[in-house]
Amino acid sequence: GDSVTQMEGPVTLSEEAFLTINCTYTATGYPSLFWYVQYPGEGLQLLLKATKADDKGSNKGFEATYRKETTSFHLEKGSVQVSDSAVYFCALIDTGRRALTFGSGTRLQVQP
Amino acid sequence: GAGVSQSPSNKVTEKGKDVELRCDPISGHTALYWYRQSLGQGLEFLIYFQGNSAPDKSGLPSDRFSAERTGGSVSTLTIQRTQQEDSAVYLCASSLISRNTGELFFGEGSRLTVL
Repeated sequence: GDSVTQMEGPVTLSEEAFLTINCTYTATGYPSLFWYVQYPGEGLQLLLKATKADDKGSNKGFEATYRKETTSFHLEKGSVQVSDSAVYFCALIDTGRRALTFGSGTRLQVQP
Repeated sequence: GAGVSQSPSNKVTEKGKDVELRCDPISGHTALYWYRQSLGQGLEFLIYFQGNSAPDKSGLPSDRFSAERTGGSVSTLTIQRTQQEDSAVYLCASSLISRNTGELFFGEGSRLTVL
């Protein structure tokens, strides 16, 4: 079945540091890939997505590239801010499926 | 309100009791999902409603779990004879488009603690 594996957290960085959160997936079809973010006290919200191989999703300075050859969708940001502190979830929806499959989430803590 | 609303935000119950969790989706959204988030785990899909179609119940963990959606809007997730392993945050999400492109709008969740 479909699955998503994320690096375990928490990830603790200083402000302006470079961020990478690794995500790899297993799917039987041609999935679309997503990153969702959950800020403290808020519901999950879509951060970015990519629907086919080699697509790059980007939003709020975050980027992720759909790599079919390595079945990966790593999240990156060049310079993190304290306000980026949140839990980040990688997810996919496979061909013909109705529901997203989520990873376990990675907590990011950015210190001033 | 403008977003997905869930109630209660917190529920503490004794083992063996029944609980009901409510979700009020964004107005006009045809699809509604329930997920469960346990400590240290990812989001586990429970059930999906789309318009007037039969719900996809494939994620419900046992027959103690059921859900309904009345009038294509508000949904209630019911857990009968709660067990300690049911303790989790129950998340509801809705989406506008019938063909799921993956953009879901989530509520803040209902945290259930079974003592």
